[in-house]
Amino acid sequence: LAKTTQPISMDSYEGQEVNITCSHNNIATNDYITWYQQFPSQGPRFIIQGYKTKVTNEVASLFIPADRKSSTLSLPRVSLSDTAVYYCLVGALYNNNDMRFGAGTRLTVKP
Amino acid sequence: EAQVTQNPRYLITVTGKKLTVTCSQNMNHEYMSWYRQDPGLGLRQIYYSMNVEVTDKGDVPEGYKVSRKEKRNFPLILESPSPNQTSLYFCASSLIQKNTGELFFGEGSRLTVL
Repeated sequence: LAKTTQPISMDSYEGQEVNITCSHNNIATNDYITWYQQFPSQGPRFIIQGYKTKVTNEVASLFIPADRKSSTLSLPRVSLSDTAVYYCLVGALYNNNDMRFGAGTRLTVKP
Repeated sequence: EAQVTQNPRYLITVTGKKLTVTCSQNMNHEYMSWYRQDPGLGLRQIYYSMNVEVTDKGDVPEGYKVSRKEKRNFPLILESPSPNQTSLYFCASSLIQKNTGELFFGEGSRLTVL
């Protein structure tokens, strides 16, 4: 199972772009990289997923370098409502059944 | 509406009094899992199930039991709760085939053991 390492916390201001990096040095060939967002007292919510290069949706972008040993979640022009904990998860449910989360990154967006 | 439903959402109990937290999903998902969340520790997996009658331990299974008699339900059983099981619990479900890791979570159950 690929272990993930993320910063414990980050601060930002409204309107800025935020980049959260996750390290996963022993990622396996079949593993995907998935990011979740969690607000206080709510269950985590899927944000974005990728395998390699770049993925973009209406909420975020995910950048994955060629060696796939890290990934960066990019949140454009954050607002106060983006204050949450963000989790990086590496694996593939059909492949290893192992959906274990790390400690996550607590993002605080200030006015 | 597709959802994962947990009950109760809040519970205060006493040490040693058996309790069950129910989890039900209406998406015909094979995979279901229980997590506990404690301050500074993130989400830790308790048990998971790949399908009916198939369950396995996660990282922190001690003090918990699960069963998977039906596809839609995955109850978490605390036979003799202790104060160190005071936590926020989440149930999650997902399809397995071709699934690369998208989990659907319930709203959470906050348990306090006195």
